[in-house]
Amino acid sequence: KAGVTQTPRYLIKTRGQQVTLSCSPISGHRSVSWYQQTPGQGLQFLFEYFSETQRNKGNFPGRFSGRQFSNSRSEMNVSTLELGDSALYLCASSLSGQGQETQYFGPGTRLLVL
Amino acid sequence: AQKITQTQPGMFVQEKEAVTLDCTYDTSDPSYGLFWYKQPSSGEMIFLIYQGSYDQQNATEGRYSLNFQKARKSANLVISASQLGDSAMYFCAMRVQSGYSTLTFGKGTMLLVSP
Repeated sequence: KAGVTQTPRYLIKTRGQQVTLSCSPISGHRSVSWYQQTPGQGLQFLFEYFSETQRNKGNFPGRFSGRQFSNSRSEMNVSTLELGDSALYLCASSLSGQGQETQYFGPGTRLLVL
Repeated sequence: AQKITQTQPGMFVQEKEAVTLDCTYDTSDPSYGLFWYKQPSSGEMIFLIYQGSYDQQNATEGRYSLNFQKARKSANLVISASQLGDSAMYFCAMRVQSGYSTLTFGKGTMLLVSP
């Protein structure tokens, strides 16, 4: 079974631009979560989607948004990029996102904002 | 709210030796799961092992075992017979049973395995 895939793997943008990252979960997994990882803040939860609905949201500004499609693929969008948005963005999938299910992660997208 | 504490920023071990990575946690939820992930320099988070709060026995997965001490709220990862490929960041994480909770991560421990 294929793992979680994320595209693109690397991205360089300038301040003020917007960016869209994509995540394809493991086949059969319907819950997709997004995390931001920076050296200073560590791993922080962005949001979680299940059946095209955002079920949970972390403490991030409205510039960060996401969506999920009917095939469970998910995208996240960051508008008006800031230097501090430079990070590794990780996507994780699980069957239903409930309880103590294991989340499986993709390889991440490294975003550099100049 | 949940909290994970990993007090060892870095650990050094020689190849073929065993190493223990510390993790303590805090939650008021009686039902929870504890996870360990490995993150090589490539960035991908690789799931290693899981322990449920009601599991009677410590979890094991190949060379990985989890030393779960519920009363002390600790969930240490033990890697036996370290290999060079074990050099990576290791994260302890928790997820509670109630609702649609998210993974809460510790700050991680960098493990370096030397020949």
